[in-house]
This record gives sequence, structure tokens and C-alpha cells, in this order.
Amino acid sequence: EPEVTQTPSHQVTQMGQEVILRCVPISNHLYFYWYRQILGQKVEFLVSFYNNEISEKSEIFDDQFSVERPDGSNFTLKIRSTKLEDSAMYFCASSGDRGYFDEQFFGPGTRLTVL
Amino acid sequence: GQQLNQSPQSMFIQEGEDVSMNCTSSSIFNTWLWYKQDPGEGPVLLIALYKAGELTSNGRLTAQFGITRKDSFLNISASIPSDVGIYFCAGPGNYGQNFVFGPGTRLSVLP
Repeated sequence: EPEVTQTPSHQVTQMGQEVILRCVPISNHLYFYWYRQILGQKVEFLVSFYNNEISEKSEIFDDQFSVERPDGSNFTLKIRSTKLEDSAMYFCASSGDRGYFDEQFFGPGTRLTVL
Repeated sequence: GQQLNQSPQSMFIQEGEDVSMNCTSSSIFNTWLWYKQDPGEGPVLLIALYKAGELTSNGRLTAQFGITRKDSFLNISASIPSDVGIYFCAGPGNYGQNFVFGPGTRLSVLP
């Protein structure tokens, strides 16, 4: 069964460093998303991406964040200068051609720890 | 923006018991989703509801889209140990291409 994969599973970084979280969405999906989940809290939307551009973003997704689809398979989230409060699980998701009306399949997440 | 509330926050039940949890929103939703999250993993979709009043089953799980379109219920019958996890409801967010998630109901099943 096709699945969303994410690497690394755990990333530890120093405050102020840049990190890139990687995702491989399901191959025939068209919409891609990043969510985050601070430990013990709910899942929060960051950004959606369609047709090689950001379609929506939340207030969390400030200038420190950027997304890219550098090739036909990868979808990345970059945090330019990490802060302590960026520590969280980051989930990538993808869905088919009906946008959010289609089921969003979530990856297993990357746990980001900022020291 | 949209706010979702879930109750109960957590519950401990005996294996074999039925479970009921609910989700309410501050605004009308056109879609309700129920996800389950196992520890250290991403959410997995259990049931999607697209019409007010809709009642949908997936194995031992049954979910209903409330008539007011501001609530939804998830029932699990004859719980088993692997039902342990956090159950999130979700609905369309403010941004049109995302979902907003509730705070979750943490389910523990005692043998």
C-alpha cells in the first residue's frame, strides 16, 4: 500500500541552526501539506502546496519557514533559524486531486528537538 | 477561527466495553474526519463524513455527522487493546486547503 515517508525520524539541532525536513508524498498525489504537533498538543496546520506553489499557510508559517518540491518526488520543509519553540513533531501529508476533500495521508513524522 | 472541542479528554475502559466520544465545533462544518494516532506515529484516517446526519461504520467503529453540523460522534464497540491511542476529530480549517484538529481523546484499554 502506498505511504508517505519522512526523513529523518528524529532531528536534534542547536537554536539558530537551519534544518530541512524531508518527505516523499504518495506518488500520484497532487496536494501536499505540513502540520506540526507540539508534544501533548493537537495537530496544527502549517502550509499546503499545490502545482508547485503554496496554496495556503497559517500564521505559524512565518518567514522562518519555507517549502519546496525540488524534484518530482520530494517535498521539503526548511526552518531557517530554529527556535526552542520549534521543537515538535512535524508531519507531512498528501492527498489526491480533490484537494482537502480527499483523504490526507500522513507520514510517520519527524521529531525535531531544538536545544 | 474554527475551534474544535473533544470530550472526554481521556478515558480508561475495560477490554470488551463500548466507547463513545464526541467532538463539537464553534462553527458549521461540511466535513468531519476522525483520525487515530498511535504513539510516535502520524494520524491515520478512520472515518470521513460528508453529509449532515450521515452515519458511517468502519468495522467496530461508527461515526455520525450531527444534524446541526456542529458536532460529531465516534463509537467503538467491543474495545480491544490495539484501540489504545489518541482519537482526533478534524474539519475544514480557515485556510481552505487544510484541516483543523481537535485536542484529542486519549483512550486506554485495560485488559
